[in-house]
Amino acid sequence: AQKVTQAQTEISVVEKEDVTLDCVYETRDTTYYLFWYKQPPSGELVFLIRRNSFDEQNEISGRYSWNFQKSTSSFNFTITASQVVDSAVYFCALKDSSYKLIFGSGTRLLVRP
Amino acid sequence: SQTIHQWPATLVQPVGSPLSLECTVEGTSNPNLYWYRQAAGRGLQLLFYSVGIGQISSEVPQNLSASRPQDRQFILSSKKLLLSDSGFYLCAWNVRTRSGNTIYFGEGSWLTVV
Repeated sequence: AQKVTQAQTEISVVEKEDVTLDCVYETRDTTYYLFWYKQPPSGELVFLIRRNSFDEQNEISGRYSWNFQKSTSSFNFTITASQVVDSAVYFCALKDSSYKLIFGSGTRLLVRP
Repeated sequence: SQTIHQWPATLVQPVGSPLSLECTVEGTSNPNLYWYRQAAGRGLQLLFYSVGIGQISSEVPQNLSASRPQDRQFILSSKKLLLSDSGFYLCAWNVRTRSGNTIYFGEGSWLTVV
């Protein structure tokens, strides 16, 4: 069965600190996709990244980086030098051979000035 | 370009009244479409998904229904709303590229049942 676990319910950091959001997934499929979305207070879900199961290269985009480890079924998200605008709820999600996109419960990140 | 539109953005409905939320996509054909709900302070729950016209799969038994009358139109309905139907409803679609599938979301609809 598919499952996504985001054990961190809420994280609070001071601006300019680095922060890592954890994501652990479960699937029986060998081909799947992993996603991260950002949900700011306005509510819309903003797509951040998609990772294919056959591509374990880590990715960096500006202050954002993602660490995909198939051996531990994890897809962690790090924000370097956090800013107040990074405050949001972040969701990790999994899509395997089914049509469903299954979400974790989300991590609320609060970046304090 | 490919876009998704969802409306209305906000609505307040009395208990027992009907509901209709509409979602349309542009710039693509035969997309997979989804309806999600997010209760206040909670995660996202998949309600329905559709792989084609008239093809609807329901994930959660409830008093909501979905329809897909046209390829790029997805409608969420209810005949009689309950208080527990309050929440943030999101339509989503699957964009296929050579490297894989990405799912994008509409702006969302805030529903308050009073």
